[in-house]
Amino acid sequence: AQSVTQLGSHVSVSEGALVLLRCNYSSSVPPYLFWYVQYPNQGLQLLLKYTTGATLVKGINGFEAEFKKSETSFHLTKPSAHMSDAAEYFCAVSSHYTGTASKLTFGTGTRLQVTL
Amino acid sequence: DAMVIQNPRYQVTQFGKPVTLSCSQTLNHNVMYWYQQKSSQAPKLLFHYYDKDFNNEADTPDNFQSRRPNTSFCFLDIRSPGLGDAAMYLCATSRVSQRGSSYNEQFFGPGTRLTVL
Repeated sequence: AQSVTQLGSHVSVSEGALVLLRCNYSSSVPPYLFWYVQYPNQGLQLLLKYTTGATLVKGINGFEAEFKKSETSFHLTKPSAHMSDAAEYFCAVSSHYTGTASKLTFGTGTRLQVTL
Repeated sequence: DAMVIQNPRYQVTQFGKPVTLSCSQTLNHNVMYWYQQKSSQAPKLLFHYYDKDFNNEADTPDNFQSRRPNTSFCFLDIRSPGLGDAAMYLCATSRVSQRGSSYNEQFFGPGTRLTVL
């Protein structure tokens, strides 16, 4: 069984400040990890993903995340927040086996507010 | 541009009146998923089609059905919508390959927001 825990349902930062959204996972197999962003009344857009290889992954819009196996974490960061970053962010873990459809288990989401 | 399309974007139905939501894709992906997302909650997988094979999640109510008449289209049917079925319904697609990487990324549509009166 897999699960994802996102600490903090709401995070507020000032424009230009560091963004840090926390995600911890539980998985019985090597995980594939994702961060998605969702703007109001829209679908999910993939920000970045960790599958294999380099543990520091860079995504769109200046976001990056680091896979830390020892801490079972995959925190999302951005050095300088922009007003357009205000949205809901979901961390997800994938269960999959070769030749089968992937299944995503999502965290409960973190709403990011960016203030002037 | 290749994409996942959901129609309509907003759907209003009456309590107990059957409703169908539509998803189409131009990505030629062999897997299509339906998720339910209630307000301020995470998306919850209802079921998925891998080619023509239907895979239902164990806790998906019988009130929810799906059809996939061809590769490009997939429908979500709610036979008797209740007030608790009001939610955003998200369609996603992915391509499973029997060779190479076991990972297949999911691409999401914009969603259909269902209101039940």
